[in-house]
Amino acid sequence: RKEVEQDPGPFNVPEGATVAFNCTYSNSASQSFFWYRQDCRKEPKLLMSVYSSGNEDGRFTAQLNRASQYISLLIRDSKLSDSATYLCVVNMRDGSARQLTFGSGTQLTVLP
Amino acid sequence: DVKVTQSSRYLVKRTGEKVFLECVQDMDHENMFWYRQDPGLGLRLIYFSYDVKMKEKGDIPEGYSVSREKKERFSLILESASTNQTSMYLCASRQDRNTEAFFGQGTRLTVV
Repeated sequence: RKEVEQDPGPFNVPEGATVAFNCTYSNSASQSFFWYRQDCRKEPKLLMSVYSSGNEDGRFTAQLNRASQYISLLIRDSKLSDSATYLCVVNMRDGSARQLTFGSGTQLTVLP
Repeated sequence: DVKVTQSSRYLVKRTGEKVFLECVQDMDHENMFWYRQDPGLGLRLIYFSYDVKMKEKGDIPEGYSVSREKKERFSLILESASTNQTSMYLCASRQDRNTEAFFGQGTRLTVV
C-alpha cells in the first residue's frame, strides 16, 4: 500500500462546477498536511496547509479527517485557471523534516 | 518573497558526462532536498541535507552525489550521466517538519 494515495483522475469539469479530491495516508501518526498545485512542466507550489479544524481560502476548502486518515480539497466555482495537478503532501512523524511524502497527484481540467 | 533558484531550466548532456545541478535558497532554511519527478512515478527523494556538510540518502541515491558547503547552496552531482537519468529535477527547502517546502523552478535534464 502506498503511504499517500490519490485518485489520479483526470477530473474534467465545466467552469463553475464544484470538485472535490480526497487523499488517504497510511501513517496514523502523520503530523503535517499540505495541498500543492503543479502546473504543466512547472514546479509544485503550496496551495494551502491543512489544519485539524479545517481551513478555507476563498474558493478552496481543505479538511482533515484523522480518524479515517484522509484529507480533502474542495474547489468551488471552478475557473479555467484551476486546471493543474493537485498534490497531496504528508509529513510522517519521525522528528525529521525529511519525511515529506507526496501523492502522485490528481489532474484537473476545467472546461469552458 | 521566498526564493529557491536552480541554476538551469533546461540541460542536455551526453552519456558519461559529469553533471552539476545547483540550487540556492534565500530563506536561511536548514533543510534542503533534491527530487526527481517522472510521469507516473511522482516525486522521489534523491538526497536530503539538514545542515552544512550533512546529508542523507533518499529513496533513489544511486548514480548521484550531493554537496552542501554553504547553508544556502545544495548541489546535485551526476557522476556519470546515463539516459535513465533523463528527468525533471526539483530542489526544495524547508524550515522544519511543520512547515511547507518551497521548490525551485526545476531543471529538465536530457541525457543523450
